[in-house]
Amino acid sequence: QKEVEQDPGPLSVPEGAIVSLNCTYSNSAFQYFMWYRQYSRKGPELLMYTYSSGNKEDGRFTAQVDKSSKYISLFIRDSQPSDSATYLCAMSDGNTDKLIFGTGTRLQVFP
Amino acid sequence: ETGVTQTPRHLVMGMTNKKSLKCEQHLGHNAMYWYKQSAKKPLELMFVYNFKEQTENNSVPSRFSPECPNSSHLFLHLHTLQPEDSALYLCASSQGVGGVIYGYTFGSGTRLTVV
Repeated sequence: QKEVEQDPGPLSVPEGAIVSLNCTYSNSAFQYFMWYRQYSRKGPELLMYTYSSGNKEDGRFTAQVDKSSKYISLFIRDSQPSDSATYLCAMSDGNTDKLIFGTGTRLQVFP
Repeated sequence: ETGVTQTPRHLVMGMTNKKSLKCEQHLGHNAMYWYKQSAKKPLELMFVYNFKEQTENNSVPSRFSPECPNSSHLFLHLHTLQPEDSALYLCASSQGVGGVIYGYTFGSGTRLTVV
């Protein structure tokens, strides 16, 4: 079993839709959770960061962590074609110098 | 210049060539990483350096040779590569003391093509 599971997609939605991206994980020691966005042929950029359980909102983006279920989500409201990218979840227990990444979900938002 | 800078952005090399990839970070981070990203595959961790010391070599073939002269610079020396080594090579840095808490900052990557 992989430490982090993420559906690779692709996920195709119309402009304006609400998008839900998810990851599950197996290591209960993970406390720090991130979402990265990667456009084609570019490096990943940090989109959202959360610590422990709860929600965090930034504009159209909401990150949610449910540690009891070992499940994290990224919601995108009013999705735009410019949101078309690969979204990677990543997490850490805070004790090692490595992040554990999901495989990434490719999102396509069509006009 | 800020962030993590990788050069060159694109590289085409023959299987007998020797080339180097360069990464420089201006963030005051102490940990640096090399990742390989092949088409439609997840990120593959190659090497980790923390305070210039290599802390991880993820069973990478010896035709890839990393070098970290200081906490701000990281190189990946390439020689006698194979076509399957063609990929996007990403450098990242983090404030690694006490563990990665705030994530990595990635460079834009070097798109390598081996012919």
